[in-house]
Amino acid sequence: ELKVEQNPLFLSMQEGKNYTIYCNYSTTSDRLYWYRQDPGKSLESLFVLLSNGAVKQEGRLMASLDTKARLSTLHITAAVHDLSATYFCAVDMGDMRFGAGTRLTVKP
Amino acid sequence: NAGVTQTPKFRILKIGQSMTLQCAQDMNHNYMYWYRQDPGMGLKLIYYSVGAGITDKGEVPNGYNVSRSTTEDFPLRLELAAPSQTSVYFCASSVGQGYTEAFFGQGTRLTVV
Repeated sequence: ELKVEQNPLFLSMQEGKNYTIYCNYSTTSDRLYWYRQDPGKSLESLFVLLSNGAVKQEGRLMASLDTKARLSTLHITAAVHDLSATYFCAVDMGDMRFGAGTRLTVKP
Repeated sequence: NAGVTQTPKFRILKIGQSMTLQCAQDMNHNYMYWYRQDPGMGLKLIYYSVGAGITDKGEVPNGYNVSRSTTEDFPLRLELAAPSQTSVYFCASSVGQGYTEAFFGQGTRLTVV
């Protein structure tokens, strides 16, 4: 059975700091997605990673995929308050399975 | 640009009642999904469909049914509602397997009392 594990589940950061969120999955896949969810809102797509070694960057966020290690990372550079949200990774195996999410709080 | 439209946005059901959550997309996407999200938790896949007339179970299908008679619509039926089905339900669609991300509706907040 496919398992998608994110860590940490909760992350409190100071503005200006860097941090990485990890997403491990238990079976072979070369398709992984990152989403953002603000409180009470729907999910918004951040990154689509479709091959081993894929790296995507948007603003202060950078995502990468290592299919051999079954690992994706979401790196946050110089965090700002607007990045406070819950971040989900999802693995595509024909259906799409989500991790539990990382609730990020960026404090001044 | 409607995208993925879910109705209703909110609903309160009594135990044992039934209802249908509606989902429609206007992007001609083949794949459609239903997820539930319990408070503070991730998304659990209920059912998905890879095209009209084809549906398959996800992680948590018990207590739910779906149909896909058209490309646009993917309704989720709750039979004999139970308090454990209190959740936020999200419908999503995508072009196809692995090509692009999924687009999500705004969600239906369901409370069973």
